Amino acid sequence: SQTIHQWPATLVQPVGSPLSLECTVEGTSNPNLYWYRQAAGRGLQLLFYSVGIGQISSEVPQNLSASRPQDRQFILSSKKLLLSDSGFYLCAWTQGYNEKLFFGSGTQLSVL
Amino acid sequence: AQSVTQPDIHITVSEGASLELRCNYSYGATPYLFWYVQSPGQGLQLLLKYFSGDTLVQGIKGFEAEFKRSQSSFNLRKPSVHWSDAAEYFCAVGALSGGSYIPTFGRGTSLIVHP
Repeated sequence: SQTIHQWPATLVQPVGSPLSLECTVEGTSNPNLYWYRQAAGRGLQLLFYSVGIGQISSEVPQNLSASRPQDRQFILSSKKLLLSDSGFYLCAWTQGYNEKLFFGSGTQLSVL
Repeated sequence: AQSVTQPDIHITVSEGASLELRCNYSYGATPYLFWYVQSPGQGLQLLLKYFSGDTLVQGIKGFEAEFKRSQSSFNLRKPSVHWSDAAEYFCAVGALSGGSYIPTFGRGTSLIVHP
């Protein structure tokens, strides 16, 4: 069966420090991968999505970047974190165009 | 581009009462519609989905939703709420954008259940 792993679960980082959040999917191949950010009371904001290795699309210009070095690995990064980067980050995958999303358990990022 | 509106930020109901969470969408073609539920500090779990066919869809945990094309709505309902239903609920529309499948979420509705 398919599973999605996302880590770390919580992270506290100082302003200006780098960031790396990792997401891996097991039990499927060539998934569509997504990074969402959830800020309090603001729903889920799509940050990046990827339809294949090395293919990254950005929905919102910001301080973050994403990479997909392997088929089932999706990484969210930043060179220098801002206070506004704080939030709950969710990785998700889907197989087809009309399929539901499978979500990871999320990373709570606090930038201080 | 597609969009989703959940007009209610918070909904408070008593346990055993009926529930309706509102969702309106904007999309130029027939949408794929979803409702997800999120417990605190967790990822999202699918409650139900609509692709085509019967406009009243049944989901898990006793939830149902009705697609009304004329109103661009996909409201979630439950006849009798349980205390364990307290959570954040998200409506989403899945659509193709530039050849890619982009799920777009509403801002969510927080359900509070009083005993």
